[in-house]
Order: sequence, then C-alpha cells, then structure tokens
Amino acid sequence: GAVVSQHPSRVICKSGTSVKIECRSLDFQATTMFWYRQFPKQSLMLMATSNEGSKATYEQGVEKDKFLINHASLTLSTLTVTSAHPEDSSFYICSARDLQGWTLHFGNGTRLTVT
Amino acid sequence: ILNVEQSPQSLHVQEGDSTNFTCSFPSSNFYALHWYRWETAKSPEALFVMTLNGDEKKKGRISATLNTKEGYSYLYIKGSQPEDSATYLCALNTGNQFYFGTGTSLTVIP
Repeated sequence: GAVVSQHPSRVICKSGTSVKIECRSLDFQATTMFWYRQFPKQSLMLMATSNEGSKATYEQGVEKDKFLINHASLTLSTLTVTSAHPEDSSFYICSARDLQGWTLHFGNGTRLTVT
Repeated sequence: ILNVEQSPQSLHVQEGDSTNFTCSFPSSNFYALHWYRWETAKSPEALFVMTLNGDEKKKGRISATLNTKEGYSYLYIKGSQPEDSATYLCALNTGNQFYFGTGTSLTVIP
C-alpha cells in the first residue's frame, strides 16, 4: 500500500518551454503532498507544500510563478516548471503523507534537463 | 531551514562487515526522526520512524537508535550484504515539515 506514482521519470526540454510533472497517490488519499528538488550531492530541498483544494505553500526563495503547483484532487498534484531555463535542470521528487501522517511516501522522481 | 547532517557522506564496506552512520539534528522543533533507504532508480523507502528519546528500532539486520536530547540518531547494519547498497537518508519531522540530511551512500563490496 501507499504507492506514489510520479511521471515522467525523465524529460528533456528546450529553454523557454514549460514542463508539467504529475504526482499521484495510487491507493490512498493525500490531502498534502510535498515537492522536493535535489541538486547534485545535496539533500532533498523542500520547494513547496501542496494542499488539496487550496494554494500551495512555497518555501523561501522558491518562485511561485516559476514553479506552479496545483492539487486539484485528493490523489493528484502537479508541478509545472514554466519558461524553463538550464538552471532549472535538476531532480524533482514528490511525496505524500500517509493517512496516519507519520511517513512520507515518495514518487520515483523526475530528472529534468533544460537545453 | 533546519540543518540535518549525516556522516559519513559515503562508505565502502566488505560483505559481512557491520557498519553504522550518524544523523545529527537540532533537538528543538523535534517531532519525529525518520530513516529512509534510497536505491538507485527507485523511490525512497521508509525504514524507521522514531519519536521517543532512547527509542531503538530494528528491522532484520538494520537497527536504529535515537537521542533527542543531544540530537542524534545512529543507523546500524549488521553483516552487510551487497543488496544493502543504497543511500540512507534521515529526516527531521517537525510536525509540519520534513528536513532531510544529504544522505550516506553505502556500497557493500562482495
């Protein structure tokens, strides 16, 4: 149980285009999902907390107009990287709390490369 | 942003050796401490959740201890096997957010 599916696993896009990453909880409802970004040899950095039916809460330094988060249902959150630039190239991973709220369940991550 | 540190950054051990690594965290804002195991091309898998000072958890050959007063947790692997090769992440749960360490990359050499 508690499976989180993230898609796509890898994407290459041209500078200036937008990329959407989907995160789905397959067998449980997730009122809260988290989006992380990982730079090489660094820890998972929380970007934003995605709340079903309301606006996401962004961490300091994360541009909300750049990284659009939508959590329209209890099983789906999306992260859209708008007008992507090479510096947005990174590993993005989503997670959702289980119903007890103790544990985060992660997707497989998305490797974004902007050329 | 709370600073969670893990050491060592990477570790190579021979099959059969036992090993341990450390996670240190600020003891204020503590709600729980989590350990995750992250294999390449897979999603991080939850190993342990610990909440009480002095907690010890065990799953097979892997165990963990927690000291909330001094702000550290140890993860132990007894008799390492090649399949234990992975990155081990710890995360401080403050109740609202999870703050991750950079991980310890373990390679077990057959």
